[in-house]
Amino acid sequence: AQKITQTQPGMFVQEKEAVTLDCTYDTSDPSYGLFWYKQPSSGEMIFLIYQGSYDQQNATEGRYSLNFQKARKSANLVISASQLGDSAMYFCAMRIFGNEKLTFGTGTRLTIIP
Amino acid sequence: GAVVSQHPSWVICKSGTSVKIECRSLDFQATTMFWYRQFPKQSLMLMATSNEGSKATYEQGVEKDKFLINHASLTLSTLTVTSAHPEDSSFYICSASFRDEQYFGPGTRLTVT
Repeated sequence: AQKITQTQPGMFVQEKEAVTLDCTYDTSDPSYGLFWYKQPSSGEMIFLIYQGSYDQQNATEGRYSLNFQKARKSANLVISASQLGDSAMYFCAMRIFGNEKLTFGTGTRLTIIP
Repeated sequence: GAVVSQHPSWVICKSGTSVKIECRSLDFQATTMFWYRQFPKQSLMLMATSNEGSKATYEQGVEKDKFLINHASLTLSTLTVTSAHPEDSSFYICSASFRDEQYFGPGTRLTVT
């Protein structure tokens, strides 16, 4: 069975600073994908970034980058130049290739301080 | 593209009544849809996987007779909470698979009084 661990229940970061949200995962399957989602107070799940287990380079999407360390089974999300609108819940998730189910971590509540 | 809608966005019902929540893929066909439940300040918990034209596959611990799922077409799945009780109050989110990605609906907040 897959497991996602997010050890930071909450984080406070000054506006314009970079922030790293931690995510570790556990699976015995070599083929998987890792996802990060943002959930603002409205409740919608917003896809941020994806990393495949065979991808050679770390994924980047604008201000979001994924620090993928396969040997350590970690997939930390880095947000550069944080903005007030980044305040939200952030979930790390994993999917095994060939299986459409997503397994979510417990989430990190990020609060950006002006 | 790849937009998923849910209706209603919020609903209040009395204990003992049934509530139906719709999940629609607006611009694509989804053979597989998922239903999640999220309690306040908690993560999303998968309730069931819904496949068009077949019975839904429920996760362990989810009551099939209480949470009825129907995936009648490639663009519509419905979740009916039968004989709702206050403990069923939660945020229900659906997602639909399209090209190896899941696209989430905006969620439905259910309050049972």
